[in-house]
Amino acid sequence: ETGVTQTPRHLVMGMTNKKSLKCEQHLGHNAMYWYKQSAKKPLELMFVYNFKEQTENNSVPSRFSPECPNSSHLFLHLHTLQPEDSALYLCASSQGPGLAGARTDTQYFGPGTRLTVL
Amino acid sequence: QKEVEQDPGPLSVPEGAIVSLNCTYSNSAFQYFMWYRQYSRKGPELLMYTYSSGNKEDGRFTAQVDKSSKYISLFIRDSQPSDSATYLCAMSEGTNDMRFGAGTRLTVKP
Repeated sequence: ETGVTQTPRHLVMGMTNKKSLKCEQHLGHNAMYWYKQSAKKPLELMFVYNFKEQTENNSVPSRFSPECPNSSHLFLHLHTLQPEDSALYLCASSQGPGLAGARTDTQYFGPGTRLTVL
Repeated sequence: QKEVEQDPGPLSVPEGAIVSLNCTYSNSAFQYFMWYRQYSRKGPELLMYTYSSGNKEDGRFTAQVDKSSKYISLFIRDSQPSDSATYLCAMSEGTNDMRFGAGTRLTVKP
């Protein structure tokens, strides 16, 4: 496997279910991200992890709970979601900030999980 | 005012046409500018990356940044049906907090 992988690719769940999305990066990166992509809206950054530590949480509802056990894996735990949470959830990784001379941080995306909440 | 504005299209052009895609932004602190291409049912893939103002060319693709006007462009020469995708502009101040446009859907007809 190369790049950034995500499982499952498609998920249908009821509002009372609990499910998890998984992301794995094979690029040796130190930063990982969760984004939400809804139709005709910009990508919304949800969570950022740098070196396994959460550094950003953009006012995401508590029904979304991230977990980053190591720099290669990222999870998004879902519970009691709403129909408006239906979207494409994208994971991305990047080299990570703080490296000498590396002020920017190109992100590489996985294929996404298409989530439908009934 | 949105931080990054991008016309969602859709944009339809004949094969061989020159395509111009644009974004405007409001945050003058943005220094890094990127264009991503997203095919249907796939994640975005990095197409072009530019630092500060200026032009960058890569094959049939040219990225332009005009920081004084807060305006960035992506030009595609000799467009091909395989260029049909959604193009997302993205920018950052230099942290890993990137801001994206909504994306422009492009169709290149044979």
